[in-house]
Amino acid sequence: DVKVTQSSRYLVKRTGEKVFLECVQDMDHENMFWYRQDPGLGLRLIYFSYDVKMKEKGDIPEGYSVSREKKERFSLILESASTNQTSMYLCASSSRRTMSYEQYFGPGTRLTVT
Amino acid sequence: GQQVMQIPQYQHVQEGEDFTTYCNSSTTLSNIQWYKQRPGGHPVFLIQLVKSGEVKKQKRLTFQFGEAKKNSSLHITATQTTDVGTYFCAGYSGAGSYQLTFGKGTKLSVIP
Repeated sequence: DVKVTQSSRYLVKRTGEKVFLECVQDMDHENMFWYRQDPGLGLRLIYFSYDVKMKEKGDIPEGYSVSREKKERFSLILESASTNQTSMYLCASSSRRTMSYEQYFGPGTRLTVT
Repeated sequence: GQQVMQIPQYQHVQEGEDFTTYCNSSTTLSNIQWYKQRPGGHPVFLIQLVKSGEVKKQKRLTFQFGEAKKNSSLHITATQTTDVGTYFCAGYSGAGSYQLTFGKGTKLSVIP
């Protein structure tokens, strides 16, 4: 079974802090994604990566950056957390080998910025 | 860019009633996928449809892909309380992109 893990289930940070969210997958997937999920807005793509050291902006990259130094790990960084970044953050991965690109999600990190 | 619209946003049904959610894409899709997110959980892949007009069944769930490969539906027969959750469709456009475009989801509540 594919396993995608995220470093924290719940996180509380203060405005202006630098926040790191970590995601690790154990299935050797090439593609990794970061989404945020807010009520009524569905899943919005922040950043994604097709390969190590590669990153592409999604629909809402402002205020975020990412890092992918190893294939299995994809980190989301909030450079200076703000209250409007309070949300559920979901990491996902997919394989290019299947040609269908179904995504496997981690359990999510609920981030509160106060 | 590609957009995937999903309706309804919410649906409340009595246990035993049927439920359908619809998905429409602004562009032709290579495949469409369906995910279920239980309350407090994360989206979980259910199924993928690839062929025009394709119909697939998983027990009480029936998935359809439109002839033009721009729309899809998920129908649940005789809902149960275990069906509660949010159902998302996600379109894959192909063309060298590895992204999925998710609909906003339909949140299903089942009244026992």
